[in-house]
Amino acid sequence: DVKVTQSSRYLVKRTGEKVFLECVQDMDHENMFWYRQDPGLGLRLIYFSYDVKMKEKGDIPEGYSVSREKKERFSLILESASTNQTSMYLCASHGAYEQYFGPGTRLTVT
Amino acid sequence: AQTVTQSQPEMSVQEAETVTLSCTYDTSESDYYLFWYKQPPSRQMILVIRQEAYKQQNATENRFSVNFQKAAKSFSLKISDSQLGDAAMYFCAYRGTTSGTYKYIFGTGTRLKVLA
Repeated sequence: DVKVTQSSRYLVKRTGEKVFLECVQDMDHENMFWYRQDPGLGLRLIYFSYDVKMKEKGDIPEGYSVSREKKERFSLILESASTNQTSMYLCASHGAYEQYFGPGTRLTVT
Repeated sequence: AQTVTQSQPEMSVQEAETVTLSCTYDTSESDYYLFWYKQPPSRQMILVIRQEAYKQQNATENRFSVNFQKAAKSFSLKISDSQLGDAAMYFCAYRGTTSGTYKYIFGTGTRLKVLA
């Protein structure tokens, strides 16, 4: 079975902190994604990566950056966390036919 | 740009009954994929069913089936013999084939409640 893991299920950070969310997949997938999930808005794509060190902006990249130094690991970085970044963050990787999701990180910025 | 619309924020169904969740999409592409994903409370999102646009036959997975109407750009999910474990958020998603990426576009979701 494909496994996508995220470093934390719940995270509480203060405004202005630098925040790292990590995602690891164990199936050698080339494509990985970071989404933000908010009630009534569905899943919105923040960034995606199609190979090591390769990345593309999604629909809402402002305030975020990403890093992919190894194929299995895709990190989302909030350079200076703000309260409007309080949300559920989902990581996914794409296999042959579908995206596989991690359990999500619920981030609260106070 | 492609869009995916789920017009039912919430639906309820009695256990053992049938329910249909609606999804419409807009695209100018002729070849694409459509998906229904399920997100149970506090659990991981999983794929329910997948449909290739070039296939006329509607996809089926056990109690889950779709009604794919390509001309109408409609992709509804039917759940038969609903069970308590079907209670979840359901997301409809679209992936095109012309961009060369695996980007998905998701709808806003439908919360399904199953009543005992």
